Amino acid sequence: EVQLVETGGGLIQPGGSLRLSCAASGFTVSSNYMSWVRQAPGKGLEWVSVIYSGGSTYYADSVKGRFTISRDNSKNTVYLQMNRLRAEDTAVYYCAREGLGCSGGGCYVPLWGQGTLVTVSS
Amino acid sequence: DIVMTQSPDSLAVSLGERATINCKSSQSVLYSSNNKNYLAWYQQKPGQPPKLLIYWASTRESGVPDRFSGSGSGTDFTLTISSLQAEDVAVYYCQQYYTTPSYTFGQGTKLEIK
Repeated sequence: EVQLVETGGGLIQPGGSLRLSCAASGFTVSSNYMSWVRQAPGKGLEWVSVIYSGGSTYYADSVKGRFTISRDNSKNTVYLQMNRLRAEDTAVYYCAREGLGCSGGGCYVPLWGQGTLVTVSS
Repeated sequence: DIVMTQSPDSLAVSLGERATINCKSSQSVLYSSNNKNYLAWYQQKPGQPPKLLIYWASTRESGVPDRFSGSGSGTDFTLTISSLQAEDVAVYYCQQYYTTPSYTFGQGTKLEIK
């Protein structure tokens, strides 16, 4: 079965660090564009970061310099290392796989994990 | 960044009636080289991740009921549910994927039963 399972969320104090994991099954993460998208409580969806199949990484301005996306091909897992966390980082974090075969611009997102909640509070 | 604006913010429709949600982008998401609109629609139910309904503005994802349809081009798009069912109660989001590597979503439209 093709799926994504996120783990690693929890309650963390402002300024702290947390690492989220996204374990993939049914496909190979290194052959796909893998993203993190977050959703603050009661709010909309915000793209956070992406790692391309070739290894390039990109970040939203709101997390640049604080978050790092990476992957472990042997574990077929994508990570989001989150440092210097702020209250405004509180959200459900979704791991997502972009569609295949898109050309030109980006691509839609057909596969999402169930999400993991990160709460930044003292 | 391309800003996506949906209207209305919330909508109440009777069962069996048509529901229409609009999405406007701050700049065109039509890619001239392939004549495709880089616009998708998602449905999100409480406690669940978003579910892809429509991509390329009008292509229905596999398994999505044919009462869902997408239309529009350039900067103005519409999601139509032809005959509302109880299970369609959800928040609906449009997304532009014209820009890379990032993409942006509309603020969401909450659809309820009247």
